[in-house]
Amino acid sequence: QQQVRQSPQSLTVWEGETAILNCSYENSAFDYFPWYQQFPGEGPALLISILSVSDKKEDGRFTIFFNKREKKLSLHIADSQPGDSATYFCAASGDSGYNKLTFGKGTVLLVSP
Amino acid sequence: GGIITQTPKFLIGQEGQKLTLKCQQNFNHDTMYWYRQDSGKGLRLIYYSITENDLQKGDLSEGYDASREKKSSFSLTVTSAQKNEMAVFLCASSIAGTNTEVFFGKGTRLTVV
Repeated sequence: QQQVRQSPQSLTVWEGETAILNCSYENSAFDYFPWYQQFPGEGPALLISILSVSDKKEDGRFTIFFNKREKKLSLHIADSQPGDSATYFCAASGDSGYNKLTFGKGTVLLVSP
Repeated sequence: GGIITQTPKFLIGQEGQKLTLKCQQNFNHDTMYWYRQDSGKGLRLIYYSITENDLQKGDLSEGYDASREKKSSFSLTVTSAQKNEMAVFLCASSIAGTNTEVFFGKGTRLTVV
């Protein structure tokens, strides 16, 4: 059973639009939710993260909205740029005591100029 | 800053062969991880190590062995390569504890013929 789900699988937006990537999870013990960005041929890199005690986290053009009751979160990328074209992974970790991240399958974002 | 170096970058093996992947990090991180990335399936944890000489199984440990020879290095062995297997193996590291950034290497791309 997949514990972290992402949608859509792929997304195309025009430059300047806001891209919205969705994530949901099953395990109520998850309390830390990082988003990773991966370019082809590279390893994933942390983009932004949120703890379950917060409902919003902003970092420049990137914003996470978090709904604990519904076990859902979303990553909003404002003013999307072609350089944002990448695969985005939602991940989660909980009460294991270590950074045991459970990843979603990813969303492939393409920003067209 | 630091870097995670994975060797080799590309690995072609034969069915049934035992294959070893190596990882070095100079972050001085306590915890290291091995993830497997399959196309369209996200990242799945194979093994992790909290400190030197420690090994913990992840969700995908069957068919793999791991070794944490020293703090800076973590090796993964595919005990018997499966025909037509294709995946990227990602090494990662982080400081001890929870909710801390996990840093990834660029991966070893395995093809089994």
